[in-house]
Amino acid sequence: QVQLKESGPGLVAPSQSLSITCTISGFSLTSYGVHWVRQPPGKGLEWLVVIWSDGSTTYNSALKSRLSISKDNSKSQVFLKMNSLQTDDTAMYYCARHYYAMDYWGQGTSVTVSS
Amino acid sequence: DIVMTQSQKFMSTSVGDRVSVTCKASQNVGTNVAWYQQKPGQSPKALIYSASYRYSGVPDRFTGSGSGTDFTLTISNVQSEDLAEYFCQQYNSYPLFTFGSGTKLEIK
Repeated sequence: QVQLKESGPGLVAPSQSLSITCTISGFSLTSYGVHWVRQPPGKGLEWLVVIWSDGSTTYNSALKSRLSISKDNSKSQVFLKMNSLQTDDTAMYYCARHYYAMDYWGQGTSVTVSS
Repeated sequence: DIVMTQSQKFMSTSVGDRVSVTCKASQNVGTNVAWYQQKPGQSPKALIYSASYRYSGVPDRFTGSGSGTDFTLTISNVQSEDLAEYFCQQYNSYPLFTFGSGTKLEIK
């Protein structure tokens, strides 16, 4: 069955960078795109970026300068890197498969920005 | 940028009732709208795409409707497990995949 699982460092110091991984199973990255979405505690959902099956990318323009997405099709992994983290980047970070919108979501990885 | 407005932050309903959650787009988004359910402590679950099509496995109690700027998610015969926050999302225009702010559904 389709599964996505995020993994990340949990705690990041202010001004440092964040690297998180989405490991997928049950489908191929050569056939589906994968999104990253985040949700600050008690708040709504914010779309960050998508990497399409052909490797092309589309970024949220508000965060584009700080984000980088890539993937390894052979390892079924999608990678998100965010630079210059601040406290308002504290959030649950989700990856989700693209099918019209986002049909399957991972459980999320919690990221706290704090010294 | 397109803004998706869910004006009802909270709604209350009873088991067996029918409830409608609304979402308004700031511009015409055609039928490129999805709906998600997020239960407390869980990740979002996809319910509807293209305004009115259910994703696989979604009970037919959940119905989506609308086009252009006005969209509705209707839950018929509400069950206790429908306690959740519901988000709309547009994917018609950049910035793609804009979410509404959410509507929390309380079951009396």
